[in-house]
Amino acid sequence: EIVLTQSPGTLSLSPGERATLFCRASQSVNNNYLAWYQQKLGQAPRLLIHGASSRATGIPDRFSGSGSATDFSLTISRLEPEDFAVYYCQQYGSSPPWTFGQGTKVEIK
Amino acid sequence: QVELVESGGGVVQPGGSLRLSCAASGFTFRSYGMHWVRQAPGKGLEWVAFIRYDGTNKYYADSVKGRFTISRDNSKNTLFLQMNSLRAEDTAVYYCAKDRLLGGYYFDYWGQGTLVTVSS
Repeated sequence: EIVLTQSPGTLSLSPGERATLFCRASQSVNNNYLAWYQQKLGQAPRLLIHGASSRATGIPDRFSGSGSATDFSLTISRLEPEDFAVYYCQQYGSSPPWTFGQGTKVEIK
Repeated sequence: QVELVESGGGVVQPGGSLRLSCAASGFTFRSYGMHWVRQAPGKGLEWVAFIRYDGTNKYYADSVKGRFTISRDNSKNTLFLQMNSLRAEDTAVYYCAKDRLLGGYYFDYWGQGTLVTVSS
């Protein structure tokens, strides 16, 4: 089973700042099959990125994903008020099981 | 537009059973794999179970194997999760999620979830 470790646990930033979140896998993720999800308080998760770097339908271009093998990142170029949320990475290259990271909370500084 | 609506959650005693449903609309349900994912209060996401588009393959997390059963009725566009021998640690919001493909990929749409509380 691939274990995903996200860092930092919490990111405290101001609107307009750049956010970079990290996701490290315990072994190489096949085909870079890594996704990122956003979850706002009290809501269901929403797909942001798949295939490590492909934005999902309707996702603003301030969200970008990069990385390969065991090291991945999600960057939000300029934080908007609606971007403060919890972000999860997930691998689907060696499934089952589908595994998630523990999440990174992006909070308002 | 894709819509997934879960139901069937509630309060159940340890050792009890519960059946969750997920009504799907806005896409060709019979052509896509489906998942259940749960989230314990204040915790992260945990994948629970997956079923292929035609129901031929099913996979479970070790934490629920032998106790939970995933199934689907493609004629009624509905996904199910039968949960038996429930434990306190099964307390969570349960989400159904649509797979991007028929055989297991990433999750492109999620329902709003249904809360299951296991408590005496």
